[in-house]
Amino acid sequence: QKEVEQDPGPLSVPEGAIVSLNCTYSNSAFQYFMWYRQYSRKGPELLMYTYSSGNKEDGRFTAQVDKSSKYISLFIRDSQPSDSATYLCAFRSNFGNEKLTFGTGTRLTIIP
Amino acid sequence: EAGVAQSPRYKIIEKRQSVAFWCNPISGHATLYWYQQILGQGPKLLIQFQNNGVVDDSQLPKDRFSAERLKGVDSTLKIQPAKLEDSAVYLCASSLAGVGIQKENNEQFFGPGTRLTVL
Repeated sequence: QKEVEQDPGPLSVPEGAIVSLNCTYSNSAFQYFMWYRQYSRKGPELLMYTYSSGNKEDGRFTAQVDKSSKYISLFIRDSQPSDSATYLCAFRSNFGNEKLTFGTGTRLTIIP
Repeated sequence: EAGVAQSPRYKIIEKRQSVAFWCNPISGHATLYWYQQILGQGPKLLIQFQNNGVVDDSQLPKDRFSAERLKGVDSTLKIQPAKLEDSAVYLCASSLAGVGIQKENNEQFFGPGTRLTVL
């Protein structure tokens, strides 16, 4: 079983739609849950960050963590063409170094 | 605040040649990371430095890859000799705190990457 599983897409939705992106993981030591956005030919940038279980909202973005199911989600409301990018989930444990374990990324296109 | 700088942005070499990448992290950041991102995959950590010491190089193919961070600031990653499977984007990232300090807020900031093609 892979440590992190993420649907690679691609995913295309019309502008204004709600987008749901998901990852599952198997490592119980993961305590920090992140979503990175990566535009073409750019490095990843941190979009959302959650510590342990729970929800976090930032504008049009909501991150959810369900540790019991080892499942995390990112929701994008009122999606915009500028949201077109690859979204990477990332995980970090609470001990050891600061190493991030990434999913494969989901390529998202918002159609105007 | 200037971001993480990397050069070159693109490099094309033939297999068995050598190549070097350079990274200048955000000023004051103690920790520097090199990641390899193969097309269609997420970044994979190759090596992590805290100041000028190596924290984790467990996934660095040491028979062909080497990295250094002299003086604890900028860093170089070298591949010698390159193989076809080394074609990837090499990302450098930095974070403010050292390992074990302020874990919650230790965001990693990424540079634009160097896209390597090995023919």
